[in-house]
Amino acid sequence: DAKTTQPNSMESNEEEPVHLPCNHSTISGTDYIHWYRQLPSQGPEYVIHGLTSNVNNRMASLAIAEDRKSSTLILHRATLRDAAVYYCIVETNFGNEKLTFGTGTRLTIIP
Amino acid sequence: NAGVTQTPKFQVLKTGQSMTLQCAQDMNHEYMSWYRQDPGMGLRLIHYSVGAGITDQGEVPNGYNVSRSTTEDFPLRLLSAAPSQTSVYFCASSYQMGNTEAFFGQGTRLTVV
Repeated sequence: DAKTTQPNSMESNEEEPVHLPCNHSTISGTDYIHWYRQLPSQGPEYVIHGLTSNVNNRMASLAIAEDRKSSTLILHRATLRDAAVYYCIVETNFGNEKLTFGTGTRLTIIP
Repeated sequence: NAGVTQTPKFQVLKTGQSMTLQCAQDMNHEYMSWYRQDPGMGLRLIHYSVGAGITDQGEVPNGYNVSRSTTEDFPLRLLSAAPSQTSVYFCASSYQMGNTEAFFGQGTRLTVV
């Protein structure tokens, strides 16, 4: 499985954009990039996923580098409810797809 | 719409006891999985199922059994609980195995004493 590298923690001010980076230099051409987040005492929650093109949904945007060796999750306007651990996951696509969670980035929102 | 429901939410077991963690989903998803999460760590896959009657092992399957007799239910059995199995357990489901959104339950916090 492709390994991901994320900063252990980040801080951001409320109502400002947040850019969460992820490196996945060993990603293969058919591997999907997923982002999940986990709020305190809750199960993980899907945020977004993509393959090659940048993706947008109501929660966030996913910017994928042209060489696909890195990606950035963008929260356009952080709120206190966005404080969570964010996991970047590369889903290996060989007919045995699984989500392999690392330790993620703990995002703190400063009021 | 209940999504993924796990029961119980909390459980304390004595070493050597057995129990079943229940997981049910009402979204008609084919793919279901069980994870455990230990303090300060990410989730690790225990077992998964790609449909009724089909199960397979994940990263940390030892000490756990699963079966999938219906699409809706995917119970996780601890045969003889050990303190090393103290953890938070999450069940997840998705309509296919990859390239899709997975839905997670709220978790079962298990303590083995």
